[in-house]
Amino acid sequence: AQSVTQPDIHITVSEGASLELRCNYSYGATPYLFWYVQSPGQGLQLLLKYFSGDTLVQGIKGFEAEFKRSQSSFNLRKPSVHWSDAAEYFCALSGTYKYIFGTGTRLKVLA
Amino acid sequence: KAGVTQTPRYLIKTRGQQVTLSCSPISGHRSVSWYQQTPGQGLQFLFEYFSETQRNKGNFPGRFSGRQFSNSRSEMNVSTLELGDSALYLCASSQGQTDSPLHFGNGTRLTVT
Repeated sequence: AQSVTQPDIHITVSEGASLELRCNYSYGATPYLFWYVQSPGQGLQLLLKYFSGDTLVQGIKGFEAEFKRSQSSFNLRKPSVHWSDAAEYFCALSGTYKYIFGTGTRLKVLA
Repeated sequence: KAGVTQTPRYLIKTRGQQVTLSCSPISGHRSVSWYQQTPGQGLQFLFEYFSETQRNKGNFPGRFSGRQFSNSRSEMNVSTLELGDSALYLCASSQGQTDSPLHFGNGTRLTVT
């Protein structure tokens, strides 16, 4: 079965601290994986995507993600969090004519 | 390029009524998909259209329907509204391939009273 799991519902970090958001997937083949961010009252914005090749992908706003096939993971990272990063983050994989989303991780940033 | 436009932004309806939501995709995008977002369930896939054909459908009752027009604009209809239909409905467009990123609108917030 195809699925995406984000184990952390809420994460709180201090501004300037590093961040890692976890994502695990289940898929029969090499997946197409994405991270999206949603600010309150807005739609989802694409942060980065992984299709193949280099397992470390760079995205917008200083985010990066690492694909690990052996762990079925695609974790999102940022070296230094800014207050404006407070939002909800969704991991997703592309299936047959649809995306499957994780339930999201809400990030709170402390000043 | 203009982004994905969803109208209206907010709707308040009464149980038993029906509602139609509209989505205009990014120019050149032939795929439009719809998702329901609720706090408890996250994003749930409703359906996907490509060149006026529904290619996939999620596990929603028949009260939820959609269509796509020749200009790729899409509408979603919900009949006989229930309280549980209150949600943010998101439309996304793409070029329609498996590796095509979705581009989302800001959603329509539907409240059923």
